[in-house]
Amino acid sequence: DADVTQTPRNRITKTGKRIMLECSQTKGHDRMYWYRQDPGLGLRLIYYSFDVKDINKGEISDGYSVSRQAQAKFSLSLESAIPNQTALYFCATSDREDEAFFGQGTRLTVV
Amino acid sequence: AQTVTQSQPEMSVQEAETVTLSCTYDTSESNYYLFWYKQPPSRQMILVIRQEAYKQQNATENRFSVNFQKAAKSFSLKISDSQLGDTAMYFCACSPGTASKLTFGTGTRLQVTL
Repeated sequence: DADVTQTPRNRITKTGKRIMLECSQTKGHDRMYWYRQDPGLGLRLIYYSFDVKDINKGEISDGYSVSRQAQAKFSLSLESAIPNQTALYFCATSDREDEAFFGQGTRLTVV
Repeated sequence: AQTVTQSQPEMSVQEAETVTLSCTYDTSESNYYLFWYKQPPSRQMILVIRQEAYKQQNATENRFSVNFQKAAKSFSLKISDSQLGDTAMYFCACSPGTASKLTFGTGTRLQVTL
């Protein structure tokens, strides 16, 4: 099994719908992150969490919210999806400053 | 705040040849880390090599090595003996010395040809 698992792997949703992307990890790491990848823009940080009680906004948090349900689980929600949120989303974990482990990504399409 | 710039959107190299991917960065952190990640068509993000800013020696991992020029804020990746499996998007990234809050460049798409 993968160390960092994202579900779903692919999702198509309609404008205005609420959608949740889930991430779970078996690494035992305290730190978890959500990134968004757009063509030509690289990956950008949406939210991050250093422990269960800690949530921080990243570079592009508008339109997103997160929940850290447990050390191993970190979910990203789009309360009302819009087409420009169509992107590839990555979850990552770390326990050190010099290494991060990524999930396999969720490709989200908002139509 | 950090910025990372990759000025080569696409590159091509023949199998067994050497190629260098460029990256420049800017950061206000006194200690930081630099990374090169590979993203093949499977879209998995794979760490290729990392460099801690206070270490002057350039990092090397098998066929992959970096040229870290701290004063110039440059961090290039050299791939020697290129293989078809090296075909991927390559991202340069920077993070502060306190957490893995990565700032990525826009990527360089590398094609290895026969």
